[in-house]
Amino acid sequence: QVQLVQSGAEVKKPGASVKVSCKASGYTFTSYGISWVRQAPGQGLEWMGWISAYNGNTNYAQKLQGRVTMTTDTSTSTAYMELRSLRSDDTAVYYCARVDYDFWTFDYWGQGTLVTVSS
Amino acid sequence: EIVLTQSPGTLSLSPGERATLSCRASQSVSSSYLAWYQQKPGQAPRLLIYGASSRATGIPDRFSGSGSGTDFTLTISRLEPEDFAVYYCQQYGSSPTITFGQGTRLEIK
Repeated sequence: QVQLVQSGAEVKKPGASVKVSCKASGYTFTSYGISWVRQAPGQGLEWMGWISAYNGNTNYAQKLQGRVTMTTDTSTSTAYMELRSLRSDDTAVYYCARVDYDFWTFDYWGQGTLVTVSS
Repeated sequence: EIVLTQSPGTLSLSPGERATLSCRASQSVSSSYLAWYQQKPGQAPRLLIYGASSRATGIPDRFSGSGSGTDFTLTISRLEPEDFAVYYCQQYGSSPTITFGQGTRLEIK
């Protein structure tokens, strides 16, 4: 069965960086994309960007351009999201999700990783 | 960037009633690329509807989606206790870019 398993919770200071991992199993990793979506406490869903697991192509949400980098390691079927220059408003649960290219939907999700930014 | 506006913000209904949730886009969206998700507290979102009207695997047939252009609707024909949650619409645009609506909270009356 398809599973996306994310790394554990992180606590970071303002200005630091965080790197969250998302290990996929149960499907051919390179046949789908991975998107990252975050959710601040009590707020809605915010799309952060997408990476093709096939060729590494990316597209990031404009507001995060320059601070976010998404990568994949096809040898381990793992996707990574690094966010730099963290601010308090980056405190959120970060989700990875598999992208179904037929309809550009997120059909499987990771369990979420809480990133807390606090001095 | 296409903005999705969901209404109402909160919907208070009783089990057994019919729920109608709206998602309006700031410009036309291809029906192929409009989806709905359900999210319960402490859980990741779950895909309900894709292509505006197709149910995802395992989704009960009391959930249905409709609409085209700029106006889309999620209908839950008879509410079950487990349906009370937050619902989000989502669209895909070129580049690719993705946007979500701000969500509708469906609560028990």
